[in-house]
Amino acid sequence: GEDVEQSLFLSVREGDSSVINCTYTDSSSTYLYWYKQEPGAGLQLLTYIFSNMDMKQDQRLTVLLNKKDKHLSLRIADTQTGDSAIYFCAEGYGGSQGNLIFGKGTKLSVKP
Amino acid sequence: GAGVSQTPSNKVTEKGKYVELRCDPISGHTALYWYRQSLGQGPEFLIYFQGTGAADDSGLPNDRFFAVRPEGSVSTLKIQRTERGDSAVYLCASSPQRNPGYNEQFFGPGTRLTVL
Repeated sequence: GEDVEQSLFLSVREGDSSVINCTYTDSSSTYLYWYKQEPGAGLQLLTYIFSNMDMKQDQRLTVLLNKKDKHLSLRIADTQTGDSAIYFCAEGYGGSQGNLIFGKGTKLSVKP
Repeated sequence: GAGVSQTPSNKVTEKGKYVELRCDPISGHTALYWYRQSLGQGPEFLIYFQGTGAADDSGLPNDRFFAVRPEGSVSTLKIQRTERGDSAVYLCASSPQRNPGYNEQFFGPGTRLTVL
């Protein structure tokens, strides 16, 4: 069956790098996503990666995909207190098979 | 431009009552999704509309849940005979679905449903 797993908590100091990890089970997933959820706010898409890519960089964000191990990671460089939030990994198929399958989320706490 | 909006933002009801939750997608988005997020969990897919029709309703938990999108824009999620286990945040998302590949889903702020 489909399942997305994430560790539940991560705590880092301001200025350090954060690495949030995720594993998924469905090898036919076409796209993998990282969403951010702040208290009282909706889900915000941070970045996504197509399944035939290994890496994607977008400013402070680096996504690494190991398709063989079905492992996805999100690295946030120079983590700031404003990055404190819950980060969700999700897998999807794109196109007409639109629904996303989310992990339980990793709560990132950034200490000053 | 306006994002996805959902009303009400909060809904408190009693066990056994009927509720309707509304979603206004981004104008022009043909795809609309409903998800449910329980406390401490990630969003869980309920139903997906392409235009007016439900393309995939495999996530609806039982026949107490029903959703419509009669004109291909606004959608209403309807829950009959609510149970305490239905308490959650109900999220709506829309997508332009312009091409067969990647289509970003834009999420609304959600409706927090509490069943007493």
